[in-house]
Amino acid sequence: RKEVEQDPGPFNVPEGATVAFNCTYSNSASQSFFWYRQDCRKEPKLLMSVYSSGNEDGRFTAQLNRASQYISLLIRDSKLSDSATYLCVVNDRGSTLGRLYFGRGTQLTVWP
Amino acid sequence: DAGVTQSPTHLIKTRGQQVTLRCSPKSGHDTVSWYQQALGQGPQFIFQYYEEEERQRGNFPDRFSGHQFPNYSSELNVNALLLGDSALYLCASSLPRRWDTQYFGPGTRLTVL
Repeated sequence: RKEVEQDPGPFNVPEGATVAFNCTYSNSASQSFFWYRQDCRKEPKLLMSVYSSGNEDGRFTAQLNRASQYISLLIRDSKLSDSATYLCVVNDRGSTLGRLYFGRGTQLTVWP
Repeated sequence: DAGVTQSPTHLIKTRGQQVTLRCSPKSGHDTVSWYQQALGQGPQFIFQYYEEEERQRGNFPDRFSGHQFPNYSSELNVNALLLGDSALYLCASSLPRRWDTQYFGPGTRLTVL
């Protein structure tokens, strides 16, 4: 079983749409959760951390459900520039030093 | 403030050869992690260096080895290259004791023919 499982996608949405991505993680001891964004042939860039209380950054809202081991990302009012692959990432703090586990990513294309 | 830098950008090798990839962390960062990203997949953890020692290792064979220098820069070495080693190799660095938040370099794209 993979550590992090994501919606396979791809998602193709018009500008202005609201889109939601989900992922699940298998290690209940995981402590830190993130969404990264990766543009084509570029490096992953941290989009936002995810907290149990939920957090919002402009048009982006992330939620964490520890009981269900489920993470979500909601993008409102999609822009063309949001087109990218979104990676769900979990940090294993069970060891002395954290390592990141990545989902395979969900590709989003926003069209005009 | 320079971000994480990696060299070279691209590399083409043939099966059986050896390769060395280099990474310089962000200023103030002391931990370096290496990841392999195959096409269409998420990055996979190779290993992590802290205080010039390999602290954690993912599920990669011994052909993959590394080193961290006193200035915190790091190298990834891969011996006896296989076609399946073709991938984007990413280096990430993090602040002292903030290992959960990692910043990635632009990567080295390795092609094995």
